[in-house]
Amino acid sequence: ETGVTQSPTHLIKTRGQQVTLRCSSQSGHNTVSWYQQALGQGPQFIFQYYREEENGRGNFPPRFSGLQFPNYSSELNVNALELDDSALYLCASSSPIGQSFSTDTQYFGPGTRLTVL
Amino acid sequence: QKEVEQDPGPLSVPEGAIVSLNCTYSNSAFQYFMWYRQYSRKGPELLMYTYSSGNKEDGRFTAQVDKSSKYISLFIRDSQPSDSATYLCAMIVNRDDKIIFGKGTRLHILP
Repeated sequence: ETGVTQSPTHLIKTRGQQVTLRCSSQSGHNTVSWYQQALGQGPQFIFQYYREEENGRGNFPPRFSGLQFPNYSSELNVNALELDDSALYLCASSSPIGQSFSTDTQYFGPGTRLTVL
Repeated sequence: QKEVEQDPGPLSVPEGAIVSLNCTYSNSAFQYFMWYRQYSRKGPELLMYTYSSGNKEDGRFTAQVDKSSKYISLFIRDSQPSDSATYLCAMIVNRDDKIIFGKGTRLHILP
């Protein structure tokens, strides 16, 4: 088990609603990335936060937004939910930028399963 | 053409067999090549990574990268039922870049 935790585990929302997902980083990691994994697909990069600032964004609309807090935990907010937003949302925390790559560089959390009806 | 192509399977092999998983990619700028294992209802777990071309071995697992062919492989020797999972290949250009994943291959090891 990694030290990355996510809450809630499962969530059911209806179209048009808003949702907030939370992530706590691995100890010593100051960078957080969020990924969306649709059923039968690989994870797709949403965005990354470093030192509380967005540090890269994938091909997702502005209704996907995030925050990183001073303790490096993070939130993913999705407004105006659509049916296609149903997916597993994964948070990954990374060791400080500039360190050499290793198998300890990044850990994924278990994900939040979001269902939009 | 997708940046990373991976056959989704499922792939079923008997226990003890050698498993070969593969991906192709189109972006020649990729430098780090990773393999993740994802069990049902869990997040991906980084198994191995290779920087640039070459082979890397870790226990029963061997990762190979052929940059000239834009082709990467993961071999699992003496496969066990506990190896049953989805295996995702993934690539990045630089260490802190976004990760580009394949679709994942579902692997079943039959006892």
